[in-house]
Amino acid sequence: GAGVSQSPRYKVAKRGQDVALRCDPISGHVSLFWYQQALGQGPEFLTYFQNEAQLDKSGLPSDRFFAERPEGSVSTLKIQRTQQEDSAVYLCASSSRGRGNEQFFGPGTRLTVL
Amino acid sequence: TQLLEQSPQFLSIQEGENLTVYCNSSSVFSSLQWYRQEPGEGPVLLVTVVTGGEVKKLKRLTFQFGDARKDSSLHITAAQPGDTGLYLCAGFNSGGSNYKLTFGKGTLLTVNP
Repeated sequence: GAGVSQSPRYKVAKRGQDVALRCDPISGHVSLFWYQQALGQGPEFLTYFQNEAQLDKSGLPSDRFFAERPEGSVSTLKIQRTQQEDSAVYLCASSSRGRGNEQFFGPGTRLTVL
Repeated sequence: TQLLEQSPQFLSIQEGENLTVYCNSSSVFSSLQWYRQEPGEGPVLLVTVVTGGEVKKLKRLTFQFGDARKDSSLHITAAQPGDTGLYLCAGFNSGGSNYKLTFGKGTLLTVNP
C-alpha cells in the first residue's frame, strides 16, 4: 500500500490480557515511531526506531510495554497484562529520513481494556 | 518537559466565517508543525514552519511562527465544512532530539453548513 497501515484497527481486551499491535510502515522508510493518544489528547511519543535499532524508548509508560522492529520494516508494539489506563489509540508513524521531520501516520489501533 | 498549549480547545462556527487557533509554549522549538486529524484516522501534516516570524499559506490556511519560535497560529479564511477536524500543533525540541515530536492537545473545529 501507499501509506502506513496498522492492524488490528480495533482491539478489545480484558484486563490482564496481553495484546500485540502491528505497524507496516511505508516501504523504505528508515524511521518508525509509536505514539499513544488518549481520548481528547494529542499523541504522546512512546518509542523510536531507526531501521531495526530502537534508539529511544523513553516514552514507554512501564515495563509492560515492549516494541520491536527485528528486520527494520514491520514493527510490533506489545502490551503485557493490560490495564484500563492502557485504553487509547496507538498510532504508528514512519519517515524516510533519520531526522523524522515529516512523519506519515497510520490510522491507529483503538485499544479498549475492559 | 516542553509543553504546547492550544486554544481554544473547541470551536464551532458557521460556514464562511474566519477563525484563528493558537499554539503557545514557554519553550523554544527548532520547528513547529501543524496537523489535521479526522475521526478514525491518523494526523496528516499540513505545514512545517522553521524560521521565527515565518508565514506560510496553504490555500485558505495561513500559518505563522512567532519571532521567538515559542508560538504559532493558524488562521482559516472562509471556513468550509471540509475543514472540520482536530488541529494539532507539534514541535521539535530546540537543542534536543531532532526526531521526538511534542504535541499539543489540539483544537477541535466544527464548521457547520
